[in-house]
Amino acid sequence: GAGVSQSPSNKVTEKGKDVELRCDPISGHTALYWYRQSLGQGLEFLIYFQGNSAPDKSGLPSDRFSAERTGGSVSTLTIQRTQQEDSAVYLCASGFLRDEQFFGPGTRLTVL
Amino acid sequence: SQQGEEDPQALSIQEGENATMNCSYKTSINNLQWYRQNSGRGLVHLILIRSNEREKHSGRLRVTLDTSKKSSSLLITASRAADTASYFCATGRMDSSYKLIFGSGTRLLVRP
Repeated sequence: GAGVSQSPSNKVTEKGKDVELRCDPISGHTALYWYRQSLGQGLEFLIYFQGNSAPDKSGLPSDRFSAERTGGSVSTLTIQRTQQEDSAVYLCASGFLRDEQFFGPGTRLTVL
Repeated sequence: SQQGEEDPQALSIQEGENATMNCSYKTSINNLQWYRQNSGRGLVHLILIRSNEREKHSGRLRVTLDTSKKSSSLLITASRAADTASYFCATGRMDSSYKLIFGSGTRLLVRP
């Protein structure tokens, strides 16, 4: 079946612009996660959605970052007024609570 | 902050040899997972071991967990060039095990 998909695969933007990153999780998965990975580093947790519960936003690095999940499916991560330090690969994963996570291919964001 | 720390950071072996990677963590966990990442993009789940398990096998993979030492090891037997990748351990904490905390990874190179 179809895996997790993310779009765009690459995004180059200018400092100060807003960007939106999209994640389509595997159908039926109740949990959706966003992570950020800087070059050569591990994954940094950003935000977690589970069903209709309030999301866990504890990993968002600043108020410029926000995310929503519409209809319990597709999620959008928005970064406002992008900074160069926001450059990274943004990974989305879906799954079931306390189980393995299935990752998308990621969006590589470059802020010039 | 990182929960899991892998050791070594990089490993180079000959095809056919075994590869062992270690992971240490700091807090009580619900489970520990190992993931593989090729070319800095999406991660692939390899194996999950729960806190009440000590050893688990999957094909050429063997994972051990020592909760008293807060450590885990991943053994890849009879390595192949296709095993070349970065390997990450990720821990699900007892208090919020949906939030996986990733280490910085081990870069494995298998020379043909």
